[in-house]
Amino acid sequence: DAKTTQPPSMDCAEGRAANLPCNHSTISGNEYVYWYRQIHSQGPQYIIHGLKNNETNEMASLIITEDRKSSTLILPHATLRDTAVYYCIVSGATNKLIFGTGTLLAVQP
Amino acid sequence: DTEVTQTPKHLVMGMTNKKSLKCEQHMGHRAMYWYKQKAKKPPELMFVYSYEKLSINESVPSRFSPECPNSSLLNLHLHALQPEDSALYLCASTGLALTGELFFGEGSRLTVL
Repeated sequence: DAKTTQPPSMDCAEGRAANLPCNHSTISGNEYVYWYRQIHSQGPQYIIHGLKNNETNEMASLIITEDRKSSTLILPHATLRDTAVYYCIVSGATNKLIFGTGTLLAVQP
Repeated sequence: DTEVTQTPKHLVMGMTNKKSLKCEQHMGHRAMYWYKQKAKKPPELMFVYSYEKLSINESVPSRFSPECPNSSLLNLHLHALQPEDSALYLCASTGLALTGELFFGEGSRLTVL
């Protein structure tokens, strides 16, 4: 599975957009980009995934560059409850998701 | 029902004890997972079951023994554990579609004395 690189931590003001970057320069053509988050003391929660096109759901938007070597997860209006560790994962099959170190997003009041 | 239920939530055991962690889902998912998570670290994949058969074992020591008695249940049998095995054990499930998402339980926090 391709590896990902994420900043260890980021801050965001409440109500503002949070943009979380992820580099995955060795991604293969059949591998998807998945984003999960883990709020303290809870199990990870699926957010969104994509292959080539940008994706949006009720939680977030996923922007994937044309060369697919990086992506950005966007939380449009961050709240205090969005404080969590965000994991970017690249995988060709959902039967093997390997978590990297993730980004700790701290939403500040 | 979109839940993965794990029991017990907390478990304390000695190094000579035998105990089990249980995981249950009723979403019709045919793939189930065990992950181990140490404090301030990402979850580490341990085992994957697909259609009730073990499909991935990430070189986990034999003191951890998984079992999938049916499509809704996943157990992790623990025996002769070490204090360094203390961690949060997470269960997850997914449908087998390539673009499926994993549903995680809240985890079982294990302390080995």
